[in-house]
Amino acid sequence: AQRVTQPEKLLSVFKGAPVELKCNYSYSGSPELFWYVQYSRQRLQLLLRHISRESIKGFTADLNKGETSFHLKKPFAQEEDSAMYYCALRASNQGGKLIFGQGTELSVKP
Amino acid sequence: EAQVTQNPRYLITVTGKKLTVTCSQNMNHEYMSWYRQDPGLGLRQIYYSMNVEVTDKGDVPEGYKVSRKEKRNFPLILESPSPNQTSLYFCASSLFGVMAYEQYFGPGTRLTVT
Repeated sequence: AQRVTQPEKLLSVFKGAPVELKCNYSYSGSPELFWYVQYSRQRLQLLLRHISRESIKGFTADLNKGETSFHLKKPFAQEEDSAMYYCALRASNQGGKLIFGQGTELSVKP
Repeated sequence: EAQVTQNPRYLITVTGKKLTVTCSQNMNHEYMSWYRQDPGLGLRQIYYSMNVEVTDKGDVPEGYKVSRKEKRNFPLILESPSPNQTSLYFCASSLFGVMAYEQYFGPGTRLTVT
């Protein structure tokens, strides 16, 4: 079965500290992995996807097929990074369907 | 401006009173979907549609109906709402197929069923 797991409900760090939001997935094929972010009172929006291999707002994520992980990292957290982060998987044979993890709330304290 | 709109944004209703939440997109997307967001459970897909007149169940379809008569609209219907349908609902749309990597989300509809 396809599944996305984000083990941390809440991650609290101080400004300037490194951040790693964990995401593990279960899928037998070649998945596409994404990170979506939801800032307070805003709609969910795409942050980055593994295929693009780019850094967005200082965040990066590497797909590790051996560990079936797609952790989101940022070396120096900023207060404006405080938000809800969702890891999502798209199966190669399911068109547009996304499977979301439970979400991790990131709180960056001053 | 490319966007997904939902109405209403907030709704308080009583058990059993039929309601419809509308969703509209102006990006000519084939794929549209409804999710509900609950604390600790993330987003769970209710129904989706791959094109006009093509709809299918997601992971939690019980108690919901949808229709796709036009490409731009994808209303969510609760024929007889119950308190366990109190949730935050999101509509999303995207292209279909290999270009479907980004889903665009609506602002959400917060529904309370008493």
